[in-house]
Order: sequence, then C-alpha cells, then structure tokens
Amino acid sequence: GQNIDQPTEMTATEGAIVQINCTYQTSGFNGLFWYQQHAGEAPTFLSYNVLDGLEEKGRFSSFLSRSKGYSYLLLKELQMKDSASYLCAVLDSNYQLIWGAGTKLIIKP
Amino acid sequence: GAVVSQHPSRVICKSGTSVKIECRSLDFQATTMFWYRQFPKQSLMLMATSNEGSKATYEQGVEKDKFLINHASLTLSTLTVTSAHPEDSSFYICSAQERDTEAFFGQGTRLTVV
Repeated sequence: GQNIDQPTEMTATEGAIVQINCTYQTSGFNGLFWYQQHAGEAPTFLSYNVLDGLEEKGRFSSFLSRSKGYSYLLLKELQMKDSASYLCAVLDSNYQLIWGAGTKLIIKP
Repeated sequence: GAVVSQHPSRVICKSGTSVKIECRSLDFQATTMFWYRQFPKQSLMLMATSNEGSKATYEQGVEKDKFLINHASLTLSTLTVTSAHPEDSSFYICSAQERDTEAFFGQGTRLTVV
C-alpha cells in the first residue's frame, strides 16, 4: 500500500527553527510537495522537490532523499503566523497526489 | 504561480436540494483536476480524479450518483452534490495540475446543508 508518515503535532518558539519530517512509501514517485494550511482555509503551495537535495525559498527550505523515501520542511525565524498545518504529499506513478495527515505546528511566543 | 478559482466559497442549502461547485484554471490548461473533501481536524480526502473529456475516477466509498463530476474543458470542472443531506456538510476543495507540475488549489467551498 501507499503510506506517508509525518508527526501529528509539533511545538516551537517564535524566532527559532523547526524541521518537519515526512517519510513515504508509494507506487512510483514523480515529486514531493509541501503545503501550508491555516484552519478553515485551502492549502497553499510551499515547495516541490523531484531531485535529491535542498531547495531554499526564503525562510522555508525543503529537502528530499529519494533513496531513503524521506523529506523534511525546514522553517527558520519562526513567526506566529507560521502556526498552521503542514501537509506532505507525493505524486505517484499515476500522477495522483498521496497525502500525509498533516503536522500541526504550534508557535509559542 | 498558477491560479485556480473555485466558486462559491460558501454555500448554505436546504436538505434535498443540489449544489454545484465550479473549479476553473485561469491561466493554464488543467489536464487533470482533483476533488477533495476535508472533515474537521482531518487531512484532505481525495474523492475523485477527472481528466478532461473522460469520466471521473472515483475513490472507493464515494458515491458516483451523489457527487457528479464533469470536466468538460481544460479549464473547468464541476462537482454537483445531489440531494444534499446534513452529513454532506464539509469543506470541498479542488486542485488542478498539468502533467508534470505541482497541483494548484482552489480556495475551497464550505458547504452547509440545513
């Protein structure tokens, strides 16, 4: 079966750094996405990795290791507005998105 | 990034009526569109996948006759919730993508059936 695992909840302090991990087992791989979702809103796109390595976009970075079936999202200089759920999703061989359950990130002052 | 417009954002309907939700890709051709449903405090649940010009592929447990999906063009897909009941109240989200790019999401539709 297809499976994506990420922690249910994480807590971090404003101004700090947090890393949200995602491991996956899917039928084929055509890329991995990270999305941010605030309560009551649709997810918004953060990053897309299809090759191994680190992709940096401002305060957010995403890393992928295809051989390990592993990715992480790194958030730096945390702000209160970063409190949200972070969803990991893999595009499988049929170009369907397989979703993780999401990680709820709580930022404390 | 690409824009996907979903309409309406909120709708309240009476039990037994039907509601149509539209999903449009504004600046790209969406060969595939996905419809999701999200229950409170849970992740997105894929309901169906639609490819332009062909019948939608429904996920197990999703009633085809209740959730009608039409993908008549490369820029428009619709989801019609027929004979809605209170248990159909949920957040419905569409996403659209070209073959090898990231998926872009609509704003979501909060459906309340009273």
